[in-house]
Amino acid sequence: ETGVTQSPTHLIKTRGQQVTLRCSSQSGHNTVSWYQQALGQGPQFIFQYYREEENGRGNFPPRFSGLQFPNYSSELNVNALELDDSALYLCASSLALSGGEETQYFGPGTRLLVL
Amino acid sequence: GEDVEQSLFLSVREGDSSVINCTYTDSSSTYLYWYKQEPGAGLQLLTYIFSNMDMKQDQRLTVLLNKKDKHLSLRIADTQTGDSAIYFCAVSGGSYIPTFGRGTSLIVHP
Repeated sequence: ETGVTQSPTHLIKTRGQQVTLRCSSQSGHNTVSWYQQALGQGPQFIFQYYREEENGRGNFPPRFSGLQFPNYSSELNVNALELDDSALYLCASSLALSGGEETQYFGPGTRLLVL
Repeated sequence: GEDVEQSLFLSVREGDSSVINCTYTDSSSTYLYWYKQEPGAGLQLLTYIFSNMDMKQDQRLTVLLNKKDKHLSLRIADTQTGDSAIYFCAVSGGSYIPTFGRGTSLIVHP
């Protein structure tokens, strides 16, 4: 087990609704990244937060937004849900050290179904 | 941007070795990872290698890196049914944000 937890495990929403997914990082980690994994695909990078600031973003529209809190837990918010947003959402935490490698440790994911 | 390619399926007999291959496009990739994903679960980091290494061995796992050909492989010795899963190759550069392949489904049959 990585020590990264996510909630909820499963979620069903309808088109146009908003959703908030939560992640608790591994103890001591200061960086969190969010990924979307569609069925049959590899994870796609959404964005990363380091010390509560967005630190990089993939090719996702602004309706995907996030927060990182002082205790390094994190939220992913998705507004105006679309059918194609149905996927497994993965959170990964890491420890950013100057000049060092930052292996990411993944949580079990939240499976979102949009109807 | 970076592109990572893997074959989609591999079927092996229990007790044989499995070799999962991966190619990538960005020659400046610094860190190369192998993750395992079991059904309904998140990703489990198996091993990683730095680009200045050619090989890394960790118990039944052997990672080989050919930087010239931008080719990475994962060899699993004495493959067991519990090794059945999807294996993802991922590479990253200075940003430490990995780009993943589509995954290789490893099927181990008796």
